[in-house]
Parts: sequence; structure tokens; C-alpha cells
Amino acid sequence: AQKVTQAQTEISVVEKEDVTLDCVYETRDTTYYLFWYKQPPSGELVFLIRRNSFDEQNEISGRYSWNFQKSTSSFNFTITASQVVDSAVYFCALSEINRDDKIIFGKGTRLHILP
Amino acid sequence: AAGVIQSPRHLIKEKRETATLKCYPIPRHDTVYWYQQGPGQDPQFLISFYEKMQSDKGSIPDRFSAQQFSDYHSELNMSSLELGDSALYFCASSSRRGAAGANVLTFGAGSRLTVL
Repeated sequence: AQKVTQAQTEISVVEKEDVTLDCVYETRDTTYYLFWYKQPPSGELVFLIRRNSFDEQNEISGRYSWNFQKSTSSFNFTITASQVVDSAVYFCALSEINRDDKIIFGKGTRLHILP
Repeated sequence: AAGVIQSPRHLIKEKRETATLKCYPIPRHDTVYWYQQGPGQDPQFLISFYEKMQSDKGSIPDRFSAQQFSDYHSELNMSSLELGDSALYFCASSSRRGAAGANVLTFGAGSRLTVL
């Protein structure tokens, strides 16, 4: 069975600090996708990144970076120089390729960026 | 670019009433997924359809039913509404016609159902 664990329920940091959101996953499949979604107070799910299980390269997009480590089944997300607009709930998610592609979400981490 | 369209965006119903949510997928997408997100919870998979046939089923109550129509839009019907059905309902769509592993779900903005 697949499972996504986000141990941090809520995090508060002061603006301009760096913050890392942890994500650990479980799956019996060798091929899968990992995702991060942002859910601002308005409620929509904003897609941030998709990572294929075969691609362990870290990725950077502006102030966002992701660290995928298959050996520890982790897919952590770091926001550098955080801003108040980064305040949201962040979901890590997993999709097993070739199994209907539905996405299983973690419980989410609520991030507060304090001015 | 066209996105996934959900309607209505907000819906208020009384207990024991019926509600219908609609989802219009991205053009040429053949698969639709429904998710339910309760307050403070993560989105939970309810059901999916591929080419108008039910593809997978999650934690969908028996009081709920859904279908995908010939134009690929989908409707989620909820009967005998309970207070606990108050949630944000997301629809997502994707296309399985592309290369293996190319499938990516695109989510709609959600329909917020409040049951009083």
C-alpha cells in the first residue's frame, strides 16, 4: 500500500528565513511519481512539482528546491528566503504509475510565514 | 489554457437533501477523478472514471454516486446529505492517451459544500 507521511503538522518561521518541509513515502512499486502541492487560504490546489522515481536529481525553481532521496524514501521541499505569500498548507503526494494514476496525499504541513 | 471547470463553486444544503456537483475536464482529457477534502484534512480520493467507465473507487459513501458522460464531463451526486459531508470537493482530469508515465492530474478550483 502507498502512504505519504508529513510529520510536521504546522511550522512558523519569520520572513526571509529558510524552511524545509519533510515528506516520507511508502510504496511497493518501483515506478511512481512524487508531487508537492500548495493550498493557499483561497482553497485551490496549486501544482508545484512532479518528480519521477527514476530521476533523483534535485531541482531548484527560484526560491523553491526539492531534495529527492530514494534511499530514505524522502522528498523534502525547501523554501529559501521565505515570504508572507508562502503561507499556505503544503501537501506532498504520491502516484503509482500504471495504477490508475490517482494521487494519494499526505496530511499536509501548514506553513506560517510571520512578517 | 483551458483548466478543469467545477460548478457550482459554493453550495449550501440542508441535512437529508441532495446535491450534484459538476466537473468539466480539460479538453481531450479522458480521465476524471473526484476528491473530498474535509476541514483541516488532506484530499481523499473518492472515485475515478476513464472513458466513461468507473476506473477506481476509494472511500466514497454509498449515498454518493458519480458518472462520466459522453462529452467526458462528470457529475457527483450526493444524497441524504449529512453534516459530515461538508467539505471541499475537487475534480481533477488527466489524459492516458500519451506516453506511459506522461499522465499528470490537473485539479479544478473545487466546489465547497456546506450542509446545515
